[in-house]
Amino acid sequence: DTEVTQTPKHLVMGMTNKKSLKCEQHMGHRAMYWYKQKAKKPPELMFVYSYEKLSINESVPSRFSPECPNSSLLNLHLHALQPEDSALYLCASSQALWGPDTQYFGPGTRLTVL
Amino acid sequence: KNQVEQSPQSLIILEGKNCTLQCNYTVSPFSNLRWYKQDTGRGPVSLTIMTFSENTKSNGRYTATLDADTKQSSLHITASQLSDSASYICVVIDNYGQNFVFGPGTRLSVLP
Repeated sequence: DTEVTQTPKHLVMGMTNKKSLKCEQHMGHRAMYWYKQKAKKPPELMFVYSYEKLSINESVPSRFSPECPNSSLLNLHLHALQPEDSALYLCASSQALWGPDTQYFGPGTRLTVL
Repeated sequence: KNQVEQSPQSLIILEGKNCTLQCNYTVSPFSNLRWYKQDTGRGPVSLTIMTFSENTKSNGRYTATLDADTKQSSLHITASQLSDSASYICVVIDNYGQNFVFGPGTRLSVLP
């Protein structure tokens, strides 16, 4: 099974709402990633977890809060978002953070902030 | 500054034709270079991963080349199919694994 699943597929939220995005993989991968992708742009790395510890935080605003409760799960908690945060949020995983390991992406969550 | 540039920005070809996409980078120190295919509204799919010592790697009709001296890579698509219509993204990872530098992508359209 080489699948990364993400829920929900679509999310519409107001600027005062609190919501969470969920990502799951069962490939035994120890590195998990959150990306943000705007239309017609390449993905932008947000966070990386390696062995369930936050390894990379690309200066993301605090209204985005990642969480890695176990080696298979990755959450992204959203609070007080802005309309410009509307984007496709992609989760990915790989065997390890270091080295030439294939990165598997999920289908993404399409987020709209009103 | 670590950068990845891709050319052309967009490309239109007829079904059955070949094409080559280019990627130039300034990432240093270098660990590996990846090519991804991304269909609209979907997550990227890995096509190839190349390390410093690899010059060529194939994945079906996709062949990637790497020249680590000139810091250039290319992705050659043979006998294109309509399903090849997508964005192709070049990503370079530095030797510390801390920097994932994405290129802007090339948008390929294959017409019947």
